[in-house]
Amino acid sequence: QITLKESGPALVKPTQTLTLTCTFSGFSLSSGGAAVGWFRQPPGKALEWLALLYWDDDKRYSRSLKRRLTIAKGASRNQVLLTITNLDPEDTATYFCARRPEQWFAELFYFDSWGQGTPVTVSS
Amino acid sequence: QSVLTQPPSLSAAPGQKVTISCSGSSSNIGNNLVSWYQHVPKTAPKLLIYDNNKRPSGIPDRFSGSKSGTSATLGITGLQTGDEADYYCATWDTSLSGGVFGTGTHVTVL
Repeated sequence: QITLKESGPALVKPTQTLTLTCTFSGFSLSSGGAAVGWFRQPPGKALEWLALLYWDDDKRYSRSLKRRLTIAKGASRNQVLLTITNLDPEDTATYFCARRPEQWFAELFYFDSWGQGTPVTVSS
Repeated sequence: QSVLTQPPSLSAAPGQKVTISCSGSSSNIGNNLVSWYQHVPKTAPKLLIYDNNKRPSGIPDRFSGSKSGTSATLGITGLQTGDEADYYCATWDTSLSGGVFGTGTHVTVL
């Protein structure tokens, strides 16, 4: 059974840096073709893709947020971190992580297992 | 702002059919595979369709996907009250070198 769970602070101040952790089980990010993505949904708005980390440590980022995002493997083999710098109230959202099934084609973009999401509010 | 356009909302009676469109361009839908997700707020999104028209195990055949040119479509037949949710298309965008989601469609079961 594949599970993913997001964790991180619920409230952060503007200009601060946010680090979110995705802890997963039931699959290995070391397996060829595997990938984990981060997404968010601001209140009342659509889902938005943020970043993708592949098994070989290749990374892709949303072009609009690229300068502020870093995705990386965590200290534990079953964790993926997302860091967002220079936070703004517009970053208030529920943040999700999800697994992309093992596919050798990097541009295959679909996710079959998702976490429940973690809400983040950016406010002073 | 999303590069994939969906109708904001659709509604139909139980048992009826709805068709959700997703319009893109040659850099995304036109040359990449499309997936569809069902999302009830405050829950995990659920994959309904991948590779344009394939259903993961456990997804009923009431849900179907298709693609033609730079547009994709999700069909839901035999609407049930449990289908009331937001639906999103998604694909890779070659120009952006990243993933993109649609603007989302809220389906109401009357």
